Amino acid sequence: AQSVAQPEDQVNVAEGNPLTVKCTYSVSGNPYLFWYVQYPNRGLQFLLKYITGDNLVKGSYGFEAEFNKSQTSFHLKKPSALVSDSALYFCAVSPGGFKTIFGAGTRLFVKA
Amino acid sequence: SQTIHQWPATLVQPVGSPLSLECTVEGTSNPNLYWYRQAAGRGLQLLFYSVGIGQISSEVPQNLSASRPQDRQFILSSKKLLLSDSGFYLCAWGQGYGNTIYFGEGSWLTVV
Repeated sequence: AQSVAQPEDQVNVAEGNPLTVKCTYSVSGNPYLFWYVQYPNRGLQFLLKYITGDNLVKGSYGFEAEFNKSQTSFHLKKPSALVSDSALYFCAVSPGGFKTIFGAGTRLFVKA
Repeated sequence: SQTIHQWPATLVQPVGSPLSLECTVEGTSNPNLYWYRQAAGRGLQLLFYSVGIGQISSEVPQNLSASRPQDRQFILSSKKLLLSDSGFYLCAWGQGYGNTIYFGEGSWLTVV
Protein backbone atom coordinates (compact mmCIF):
# COMPACT_ATOMS: atom_id res chain seq x y z
CA ALA A 1 0.00 0.00 0.00
CA GLN A 2 1.14 3.53 -0.71
CA SER A 3 1.97 5.50 2.42
CA VAL A 4 3.87 8.37 3.94
CA ALA A 5 5.48 8.12 7.38
CA GLN A 6 6.52 10.95 9.65
CA PRO A 7 8.16 9.06 12.51
CA GLU A 8 8.23 11.95 14.99
CA ASP A 9 5.08 13.34 16.55
CA GLN A 10 7.01 16.36 17.77
CA VAL A 11 10.39 17.93 17.16
CA ASN A 12 11.86 20.37 19.66
CA VAL A 13 14.68 22.72 18.72
CA ALA A 14 16.20 25.88 20.12
CA GLU A 15 15.95 29.08 18.13
CA GLY A 16 18.99 29.54 15.92
CA ASN A 17 19.74 25.83 15.75
CA PRO A 18 19.26 23.76 12.60
CA LEU A 19 16.09 21.70 12.35
CA THR A 20 15.16 18.49 10.56
CA VAL A 21 11.68 17.02 10.19
CA LYS A 22 11.77 13.48 8.86
CA CYS A 23 9.64 11.86 6.17
CA THR A 24 9.80 8.51 4.43
CA TYR A 25 7.46 7.18 1.78
CA SER A 26 6.40 3.91 0.27
CA VAL A 27 5.22 4.53 -3.26
CA SER A 28 6.06 2.77 -6.49
CA GLY A 29 7.60 4.63 -9.38
CA ASN A 30 8.81 8.21 -9.23
CA PRO A 31 6.39 10.18 -7.08
CA TYR A 32 6.14 13.89 -6.58
CA LEU A 33 6.98 14.89 -3.01
CA PHE A 34 5.73 17.88 -1.03
CA TRP A 35 5.98 19.67 2.30
CA TYR A 36 3.20 21.78 3.76
CA VAL A 37 2.92 23.81 6.96
CA GLN A 38 -0.20 24.42 9.03
CA TYR A 39 -0.64 27.12 11.64
CA PRO A 40 -3.40 26.77 14.26
CA ASN A 41 -6.92 26.83 12.85
CA ARG A 42 -5.66 27.53 9.33
CA GLY A 43 -5.44 25.65 6.08
CA LEU A 44 -2.24 24.03 4.89
CA GLN A 45 0.31 26.20 3.13
CA PHE A 46 2.59 24.81 0.43
CA LEU A 47 6.32 25.02 1.26
CA LEU A 48 8.16 23.13 -1.45
CA LYS A 49 8.07 20.16 -3.81
CA TYR A 50 10.38 17.72 -5.53
CA ILE A 51 9.64 16.45 -9.01
CA THR A 52 13.00 15.58 -10.51
CA GLY A 53 16.55 16.87 -10.74
CA ASP A 54 18.63 18.26 -7.88
CA ASN A 55 18.10 16.29 -4.69
CA LEU A 56 18.12 19.47 -2.59
CA VAL A 57 14.98 21.53 -3.07
CA LYS A 58 14.62 25.06 -1.75
CA GLY A 59 11.29 26.46 -0.70
CA SER A 60 9.53 29.21 1.18
CA TYR A 61 10.65 30.82 4.45
CA GLY A 62 14.20 29.44 4.19
CA PHE A 63 13.15 25.80 4.24
CA GLU A 64 14.73 23.16 2.09
CA ALA A 65 14.26 19.43 1.68
CA GLU A 66 16.62 16.64 0.74
CA PHE A 67 15.40 13.81 -1.47
CA ASN A 68 17.10 10.44 -1.06
CA LYS A 69 15.84 7.84 -3.49
CA SER A 70 17.70 4.87 -2.00
CA GLN A 71 16.29 5.59 1.45
CA THR A 72 12.92 6.76 0.08
CA SER A 73 13.16 9.81 2.30
CA PHE A 74 12.36 13.48 1.90
CA HIS A 75 13.48 15.28 5.07
CA LEU A 76 12.65 18.92 5.66
CA LYS A 77 15.48 21.13 6.89
CA LYS A 78 16.26 24.68 7.89
CA PRO A 79 19.72 25.94 8.87
CA SER A 80 18.52 28.26 11.62
CA ALA A 81 15.13 27.84 13.29
CA LEU A 82 12.87 30.73 14.29
CA VAL A 83 10.22 30.75 17.00
CA SER A 84 7.74 31.64 14.27
CA ASP A 85 8.51 28.31 12.55
CA SER A 86 6.58 26.54 15.31
CA ALA A 87 3.70 24.81 13.52
CA LEU A 88 2.45 21.48 12.22
CA TYR A 89 4.35 20.14 9.20
CA PHE A 90 3.02 17.64 6.70
CA CYS A 91 4.92 15.57 4.20
CA ALA A 92 2.90 14.46 1.17
CA VAL A 93 3.38 12.32 -1.90
CA SER A 94 1.56 12.16 -5.19
CA PRO A 95 2.03 8.78 -6.85
CA GLY A 96 1.17 10.22 -10.22
CA GLY A 97 -2.61 10.30 -10.29
CA PHE A 98 -5.05 12.85 -8.98
CA LYS A 99 -4.62 11.98 -5.31
CA THR A 100 -2.12 13.27 -2.80
CA ILE A 101 -1.30 11.18 0.27
CA PHE A 102 -0.40 13.01 3.48
CA GLY A 103 1.63 11.92 6.46
CA ALA A 104 0.24 12.22 9.98
CA GLY A 105 2.11 15.46 10.61
CA THR A 106 4.96 16.50 12.88
CA ARG A 107 4.60 19.31 15.36
CA LEU A 108 7.65 21.56 15.42
CA PHE A 109 8.30 23.52 18.58
CA VAL A 110 11.04 26.15 18.49
CA LYS A 111 12.07 27.45 21.88
CA ALA A 112 13.40 30.98 22.30
CA SER B 1 -3.78 34.70 -9.31
CA GLN B 2 -5.82 31.82 -8.02
CA THR B 3 -7.76 31.93 -4.79
CA ILE B 4 -9.89 29.43 -2.92
CA HIS B 5 -12.71 30.26 -0.55
CA GLN B 6 -14.68 28.00 1.71
CA TRP B 7 -17.49 28.72 4.11
CA PRO B 8 -18.76 28.81 6.70
CA ALA B 9 -15.60 29.03 8.78
CA THR B 10 -17.31 27.66 11.88
CA LEU B 11 -20.47 25.65 12.27
CA VAL B 12 -22.20 24.07 15.27
CA GLN B 13 -24.95 21.67 14.29
CA PRO B 14 -27.15 19.24 16.24
CA VAL B 15 -27.04 15.53 15.59
CA GLY B 16 -29.41 14.59 12.79
CA SER B 17 -29.36 17.99 11.10
CA PRO B 18 -28.22 18.54 7.50
CA LEU B 19 -24.88 19.97 6.44
CA SER B 20 -23.68 22.05 3.54
CA LEU B 21 -20.10 23.31 3.22
CA GLU B 22 -19.23 25.24 0.10
CA CYS B 23 -15.95 25.85 -1.68
CA THR B 24 -15.19 27.98 -4.73
CA VAL B 25 -12.01 28.58 -6.67
CA GLU B 26 -11.21 31.70 -8.67
CA GLY B 27 -8.61 32.41 -11.32
CA THR B 28 -8.40 28.98 -12.92
CA SER B 29 -10.53 26.66 -15.00
CA ASN B 30 -11.21 22.94 -14.80
CA PRO B 31 -9.39 22.44 -11.49
CA ASN B 32 -9.26 19.19 -9.59
CA LEU B 33 -11.16 19.73 -6.35
CA TYR B 34 -10.79 17.93 -3.05
CA TRP B 35 -12.44 17.63 0.35
CA TYR B 36 -10.25 16.52 3.26
CA ARG B 37 -11.11 16.05 6.92
CA GLN B 38 -8.61 16.62 9.69
CA ALA B 39 -9.39 15.13 13.08
CA ALA B 40 -7.73 16.18 16.33
CA GLY B 41 -5.33 18.55 14.58
CA ARG B 42 -3.35 15.81 12.92
CA GLY B 43 -3.52 13.75 9.77
CA LEU B 44 -5.64 14.48 6.72
CA GLN B 45 -8.18 12.05 5.37
CA LEU B 46 -9.21 12.44 1.73
CA LEU B 47 -12.99 12.30 1.54
CA PHE B 48 -13.85 13.18 -2.06
CA TYR B 49 -12.21 14.46 -5.18
CA SER B 50 -13.52 15.67 -8.51
CA VAL B 51 -11.78 16.09 -11.86
CA GLY B 52 -14.75 17.69 -13.62
CA ILE B 53 -18.32 18.91 -13.32
CA GLY B 54 -20.58 16.18 -12.00
CA GLN B 55 -17.64 13.77 -11.51
CA ILE B 56 -17.18 12.73 -7.87
CA SER B 57 -14.88 10.06 -6.49
CA SER B 58 -15.46 8.90 -2.94
CA GLU B 59 -12.55 7.65 -0.91
CA VAL B 60 -14.22 6.63 2.33
CA PRO B 61 -17.77 5.27 2.77
CA GLN B 62 -19.50 7.53 5.25
CA ASN B 63 -22.33 9.82 6.10
CA LEU B 64 -21.21 12.53 3.69
CA SER B 65 -21.62 13.29 0.01
CA ALA B 66 -20.10 15.77 -2.41
CA SER B 67 -21.31 17.56 -5.51
CA ARG B 68 -19.76 19.74 -8.17
CA PRO B 69 -22.55 21.71 -9.83
CA GLN B 70 -20.20 24.17 -11.53
CA ASP B 71 -16.60 24.02 -12.74
CA ARG B 72 -15.17 25.87 -9.74
CA GLN B 73 -17.69 24.98 -7.04
CA PHE B 74 -17.47 22.00 -4.73
CA ILE B 75 -20.04 21.25 -2.02
CA LEU B 76 -19.85 18.84 0.90
CA SER B 77 -23.20 17.70 2.27
CA SER B 78 -24.89 15.44 4.72
CA LYS B 79 -28.57 14.67 5.22
CA LYS B 80 -28.17 13.73 8.88
CA LEU B 81 -25.06 14.57 10.86
CA LEU B 82 -23.47 12.21 13.34
CA LEU B 83 -21.28 13.12 16.31
CA SER B 84 -18.38 11.47 14.52
CA ASP B 85 -18.69 13.99 11.66
CA SER B 86 -17.14 16.67 13.85
CA GLY B 87 -13.80 17.92 12.61
CA PHE B 88 -11.90 20.41 10.51
CA TYR B 89 -12.86 20.23 6.84
CA LEU B 90 -10.49 21.46 4.19
CA CYS B 91 -11.21 22.15 0.55
CA ALA B 92 -8.30 22.13 -1.89
CA TRP B 93 -7.67 22.55 -5.59
CA GLY B 94 -4.98 21.43 -8.00
CA GLN B 95 -4.32 21.14 -11.69
CA GLY B 96 -3.47 18.02 -13.66
CA TYR B 97 -1.61 14.98 -12.48
CA GLY B 98 0.48 15.01 -9.36
CA ASN B 99 0.79 18.74 -9.06
CA THR B 100 0.69 20.91 -5.99
CA ILE B 101 -2.68 21.24 -4.31
CA TYR B 102 -3.69 24.45 -2.54
CA PHE B 103 -5.93 24.60 0.48
CA GLY B 104 -8.69 26.84 1.70
CA GLU B 105 -8.78 28.14 5.25
CA GLY B 106 -10.93 25.32 6.53
CA SER B 107 -14.31 24.93 8.19
CA TRP B 108 -14.71 23.83 11.78
CA LEU B 109 -17.74 21.58 12.25
CA THR B 110 -18.92 20.65 15.73
CA VAL B 111 -21.83 18.26 15.95
CA VAL B 112 -23.58 18.42 19.33
